[in-house]
Amino acid sequence: DAKTTQPTSMDCAEGRAANLPCNHSTISGNEYVYWYRQIHSQGPQYIIHGLKNNETNEMASLIITEDRKSSTLILPHATLRDTAVYYCIVRGFQGAQKLVFGQGTRLTINP
Amino acid sequence: DAGITQSPRHKVTETGTPVTLRCHQTENHRYMYWYRQDPGHGLRLIHYSYGVKDTDKGEVSDGYSVSRSKTEDFLLTLESATSSQTSVYFCAISEAGAGRDQPQHFGDGTRLSIL
Repeated sequence: DAKTTQPTSMDCAEGRAANLPCNHSTISGNEYVYWYRQIHSQGPQYIIHGLKNNETNEMASLIITEDRKSSTLILPHATLRDTAVYYCIVRGFQGAQKLVFGQGTRLTINP
Repeated sequence: DAGITQSPRHKVTETGTPVTLRCHQTENHRYMYWYRQDPGHGLRLIHYSYGVKDTDKGEVSDGYSVSRSKTEDFLLTLESATSSQTSVYFCAISEAGAGRDQPQHFGDGTRLSIL
């Protein structure tokens, strides 16, 4: 699985868009980009994933660059409840495969 | 939220005792996983299952065994618990995807302390 690089921490004001970057320069053609978050000691929560095209769901948007070497997770209107550690993971499409969680980005939403 | 129940949620036991953690799902998903989470290591895969009676090892499988006799239940057993197995254990499930990768969904975790 390709390795990802994320900033250690970020801050964002409540109500603003939070943009979390991720570099995955060694990603291969069949690998998806996944985003999860973990709030305090809860289980990781799936946010969104994509292969090539940008994706949007009720939680967030995922923007993947054309060369697929980086991506950005966008939380359009951050709330205090979005304070969490956010993980960017690259994973191949092949049935049961482990998710490799790095250190992630600790996002703090400030009032 | 995905229908995943882990039990027990908390357990304290002594070194050398057997421990079994249970993961129960109501989603009828094919794949089930056990991870452990420790400070400084992130989540690491212990074992996973790709169907009833079909299991395989993850990256930190030593000292653990698993069983899956029904689609909905995936058991993780520590035959003889050691202090190094003190951790938070997460179960995850995912369904088989046709043409698109499917995400894993996680349970709320079991906090296990071995004294």
